[in-house]
Order: sequence, then structure tokens, then C-alpha cells
Amino acid sequence: EDQVTQSPEALRLQEGESSSLNCSYTVSGLRGLFWYRQDPGKGPEFLFTLYSAGEEKEKERLKATLTKKESFLHITAPKPEDSATYLCAVRSEYGNKLVFGAGTILRVKS
Amino acid sequence: DGGITQSPKYLFRKEGQNVTLSCEQNLNHDAMYWYRQDPGQGLRLIYYSQIVNDFQKGDIAEGYSVSREKKESFPLTVTSAQKNPTAFYLCASSSGLNRGSYNEQFFGPGTRLTVL
Repeated sequence: EDQVTQSPEALRLQEGESSSLNCSYTVSGLRGLFWYRQDPGKGPEFLFTLYSAGEEKEKERLKATLTKKESFLHITAPKPEDSATYLCAVRSEYGNKLVFGAGTILRVKS
Repeated sequence: DGGITQSPKYLFRKEGQNVTLSCEQNLNHDAMYWYRQDPGQGLRLIYYSQIVNDFQKGDIAEGYSVSREKKESFPLTVTSAQKNPTAFYLCASSSGLNRGSYNEQFFGPGTRLTVL
């Protein structure tokens, strides 16, 4: 069964304090790992898709990386507006759906 | 603007009532999905549809029903058989479920359903 585990559950950072969020997965034939950002009371906003180990993608202060077992979302010099819940999801070669992790709640204080 | 709309934003249901949540997309996407989100849990798939007039059960379909009469619309009915319907409901769409592609899903703003 495909599984996604995100850690930590919650993370509090000072503005400018860089850190990383982890997404560990087990899947039969990865056909895409997806990162989303979700603000309170809103729908998830698509950030990145990673397809194969070694791939990296960047957007502003965010950088996503992928290995065969996990993905990291690195946040460089975060700002308060980066506060949100970050969701990770995977799609397997044999599945027609995304499997989501529970998310990491990020709070950045000024 | 292209996107996904959901209505209403907030919905209150009395015990024993059926309620219908609306989802419309103008992205020309073939596939549409319904998820349920509860605090501290990941999104769980209720139903999905790959093409018009066809849909499949997800992981937690019991107590829910859907229809897909138009490409743009995928309404979800929460029936009285759903024992714990209070949750945040999210609709999503993607260009398709072709196994050869990766098909990012894009989400609507959500509907918060509360049982009184």
C-alpha cells in the first residue's frame, strides 16, 4: 500500500532561519511526487512536481529535492508570508489517485 | 480567469438531510476529484471521474454520491448515510488520468460542511 509520512508535524521558525521539511514515501513505481501549499480555510495551491531521484525544482525561497525514499522542501530565509501547511503527495505507477501525507504546519515569526 | 469554483463556502446540515456541494471548472480538464480533509489527516479521496458519465469510488465513498453529466461539473451529495460528515471538502481537477502522464491536480477553494 502506498504511504506518505511528513515530518515534522509542525515547525516554528524565526524570519530568516532556513530549514527543511521531510516527506518520506513508499510507493510501487513512483509516477510523480507533488508538493502543495495550503493556507487556512483554503484549497491547496500546487507548487512542484518531481519525477525521478536527483531532480530538484526551485520557486522563490522554496527548493524541492527527491531521492528514492524521500523528498525535502528546503525553505531559505523564510518570511512570515511563507507560513502555511505544506502537503506532499505521491502517485504510483499502478494507481489512479494521489496519496497525501498529513502535512507540515509551518509558522514563521518576524 | 481559468479555475475551479466550489459553492457554497460554508454549509450547515441537519441530521438526516442530504446536501449537495457544487464544483465547476473551466480548465477543460477531463478528470475531476472530491476529497475530504479532517484536522491532522491527509486528504482522503471520496470519488473521482475520468470522463463524462463515468466515475469511480475512492477510499471513503460510503455515504456519498456523485454525478458527471457535464465535463465542467462534478457535484457531490452527502447523504444521511454518512455518519460523520463534518469536514472540509475539496474538489480538484487534472488534465487526465493517462498512466503515461503525471497530471498535477489543481484544487478549488473548498466547502466547509458542519452538521448541526
